[in-house]
Amino acid sequence: GENVEQHPSTLSVQEGDSAVIKCTYSDSASNYFPWYKQELGKRPQLIIDIRSNVGEKKDQRIAVTLNKTAKHFSLHITETQPEDSAVYFCAASLASYDKVIFGPGTSLSVIP
Amino acid sequence: GAVVSQHPSWVICKSGTSVKIECRSLDFQATTMFWYRQFPKQSLMLMATSNEGSKATYEQGVEKDKFLINHASLTLSTLTVTSAHPEDSSFYICSARLGGNYGYTFGSGTRLTVV
Repeated sequence: GENVEQHPSTLSVQEGDSAVIKCTYSDSASNYFPWYKQELGKRPQLIIDIRSNVGEKKDQRIAVTLNKTAKHFSLHITETQPEDSAVYFCAASLASYDKVIFGPGTSLSVIP
Repeated sequence: GAVVSQHPSWVICKSGTSVKIECRSLDFQATTMFWYRQFPKQSLMLMATSNEGSKATYEQGVEKDKFLINHASLTLSTLTVTSAHPEDSSFYICSARLGGNYGYTFGSGTRLTVV
């Protein structure tokens, strides 16, 4: 089955700096890659997603890139703010299976 | 937007008892619901896929007789933790796939504590 790895597990950045989280997936058939932000005790919130027919997607301060050949995808957050502090999960999904497999998560701390 | 309502938000039960968690899709029909478990400071681990009108598909290592899943209608899926033990204490969360290219939506989660 699909396996998603994520690095780093923890990340601290100064406010205003950029943060990058990287993920790899194992199943080349995966075609949907969402990123979620989860605050303590809350449900995951989708922040951005990308499909396998697209190499890059941007939404204001957040961007995601996908390298299908290498089976890598990354989340980039620019101009970080304290409210960006949370746990971020990458995930992968095979449309045919309709299930989302999560990476282990990255705890991001933005230091004011 | 599409909303999945999950209840209860938290529950405390005695060891050996059973607990039922409900997830309802409020404004759409969820033919497929996914159930996840999340231990503190860990990721969401998929437990099972719930399909309306058919048996759930469990992930490897998940005891289907302990975690009973029922998806009797297009708007309701339930997870029953039977004979709960302290090690079952966790955050349980459901997710429904939206049609087309609209991704997934999550319930608000249930914090289960078994004492």
